[in-house]
Amino acid sequence: IAGITQAPTSQILAAGRRMTLRCTQDMRHNAMYWYRQDLGLGLRLIHYSNTAGTTGKGEVPDGYSVSRANTDDFPLTLASAVPSQTSVYFCASSDSANNEQFFGPGTRLTVL
Amino acid sequence: GQNIDQPTEMTATEGAIVQINCTYQTSGFNGLFWYQQHAGEAPTFLSYNVLDGLEEKGRFSSFLSRSKGYSYLLLKELQMKDSASYLCAVRDSNYQLIWGAGTKLIIKP
Repeated sequence: IAGITQAPTSQILAAGRRMTLRCTQDMRHNAMYWYRQDLGLGLRLIHYSNTAGTTGKGEVPDGYSVSRANTDDFPLTLASAVPSQTSVYFCASSDSANNEQFFGPGTRLTVL
Repeated sequence: GQNIDQPTEMTATEGAIVQINCTYQTSGFNGLFWYQQHAGEAPTFLSYNVLDGLEEKGRFSSFLSRSKGYSYLLLKELQMKDSASYLCAVRDSNYQLIWGAGTKLIIKP
């Protein structure tokens, strides 16, 4: 792995289904982030983790949960997807809180 | 509340110079970032300013005035590949990153 990866690349999901978006980095960065990006709204922070074992809520956390069991992985879970969660989701990491961030390629999620 | 303003869209000509402005009102200031995002791709880091003045990096320069709550990104010798969105982000006193909505730059031949 070189940098930060996300899976899946895209997904179509029925409303009410549970979905986990995966994010893995190999840069040994302490901090990781999940954003959603919608047209005209820019990047909005969902959840973040400043170090393994800790997580925090961002601007739009409702309907999402995260875990940070180790340094490399930061999965984002939608417990029961709704159409308003249709978006492009970016995972990012930085060596420490809110320094230069490196972004994954994104996951395009459609909830029908 | 915290706010970052950027123009929604700008158009410029290949070979020319363009300046993309960003004004901010945040709870404190601990640095300003510029990112580039090509359509359908992830944002990538361009520049970081924490002190007043101009930071030059090749064809791209970024300027900061903390007293005015203002920054700009200057792109010289524009190339078609510079067509992208440019995102301004400010780190506030709590070290939280506040993002602008981005400026879509269209380069015409």
